[in-house]
Amino acid sequence: RKEVEQDPGPFNVPEGATVAFNCTYSNSASQSFFWYRQDCRKEPKLLMSVYSSGNEDGRFTAQLNRASQYISLLIRDSKLSDSATYLCAVNRRLTGGGNKLTFGTGTQLKVEL
Amino acid sequence: EAGVTQFPSHSVIEKGQTVTLRCDPISGHDNLYWYRRVMGKEIKFLLHFVKESKQDESGMPNNRFLAERTGGTYSTLKVQPAELEDSGVYFCASTPTVADRGNEQYFGPGTRLTVT
Repeated sequence: RKEVEQDPGPFNVPEGATVAFNCTYSNSASQSFFWYRQDCRKEPKLLMSVYSSGNEDGRFTAQLNRASQYISLLIRDSKLSDSATYLCAVNRRLTGGGNKLTFGTGTQLKVEL
Repeated sequence: EAGVTQFPSHSVIEKGQTVTLRCDPISGHDNLYWYRRVMGKEIKFLLHFVKESKQDESGMPNNRFLAERTGGTYSTLKVQPAELEDSGVYFCASTPTVADRGNEQYFGPGTRLTVT
């Protein structure tokens, strides 16, 4: 079983729709969680950090359920520009104070007219 | 503030050759990470530096890979000799040492390595 799992999609939604992605993780010692957005042939860009139960930023809401070990990302009123791959990343503390991110394979979102 | 930069953006080499990738982290970021994404797979951790010291290199595939960060500024990742399976995108990321933001990793644009 992979340490971080995501539905690869693609999710094809009309503009203005609400879409939700889930991500499950297997390591209960994971401490913090992130959603990254990755456009084709670009680097992952940090979208949201989730340190406690959830976080909201405009049209984006991320939630964490530690008991069930999953994180979700909700996008409301989706725009054409939201089309991208959304990567879930789970953080674990390393010796020396750094952090190791374990990524899922990503969920592809296509927002259509 | 300038972001993480990586050089080159693309590299095409033949099997058996050597390639050196460079990463310049965000200025003042002590933590530097290397990751790799091979075709069809997820991004995977390679190693972590704190300043010039390797803290964790558990993700390095084998001893053909050598990472350095002399002086604690930029880092290099050398692959010698390169094999076909080394093809992929190599990302570098950095984080500050401030506790409340130390978990957020900022990625460079990556180096796309193709070994033929």
